[in-house]
Amino acid sequence: EAGVTQFPSHSVIEKGQTVTLRCDPISGHDNLYWYRRVMGKEIKFLLHFVKESKQDESGMPNNRFLAERTGGTYSTLKVQPAELEDSGVYFCASSQDLAANTGELFFGEGSRLTVL
Amino acid sequence: AQSVAQPEDQVNVAEGNPLTVKCTYSVSGNPYLFWYVQYPNRGLQFLLKYITGDNLVKGSYGFEAEFNKSQTSFHLKKPSALVSDSALYFCAVKSTGRRALTFGSGTRLQVQP
Repeated sequence: EAGVTQFPSHSVIEKGQTVTLRCDPISGHDNLYWYRRVMGKEIKFLLHFVKESKQDESGMPNNRFLAERTGGTYSTLKVQPAELEDSGVYFCASSQDLAANTGELFFGEGSRLTVL
Repeated sequence: AQSVAQPEDQVNVAEGNPLTVKCTYSVSGNPYLFWYVQYPNRGLQFLLKYITGDNLVKGSYGFEAEFNKSQTSFHLKKPSALVSDSALYFCAVKSTGRRALTFGSGTRLQVQP
């Protein structure tokens, strides 16, 4: 069974440009999460999808970030325009519905974003 | 609000010695507590969890963690460290009313041969 896959693994862009990160969750997992780790600090929650609906987007830092999950399968996270402080590793995780209540998430390897 | 503190950026231990990675938490209501591990160039992997019941929980790779409600702690332990245990360890918490986990800043475990 394929795990959670994220693309690209590393992206280097200039301030003001746009980047789109993609996450393919494990097949059948309704719950999809985006997290971010900046500069070796804590892994911070960004948002949570249940199927195609945004269940919790309280962690999204500002309106430069847009997440979508059309059709309830893969998800994209767009940063437009990118700022220097957006640099970090963006993790995607997924889980089945029951597991969501007990916190067992399956993580992708992360997409490292560097904004110059 | 829920939060996690991992006071040590790095823990160094010799192979064969016991190891402890510390974690304290703050959450409203009963906590669900977790440890995840990240090996180099890999995603986070679930190690173990405390939901309810016995305060000592056992997980993968010989790790265990002890839930201490009075000290709001959930320290990760292993009786005998292996070099292959060297990795980044994250503690996480969630409350019963929320699905998203709150993670700590991570502790790098370095096991020397």
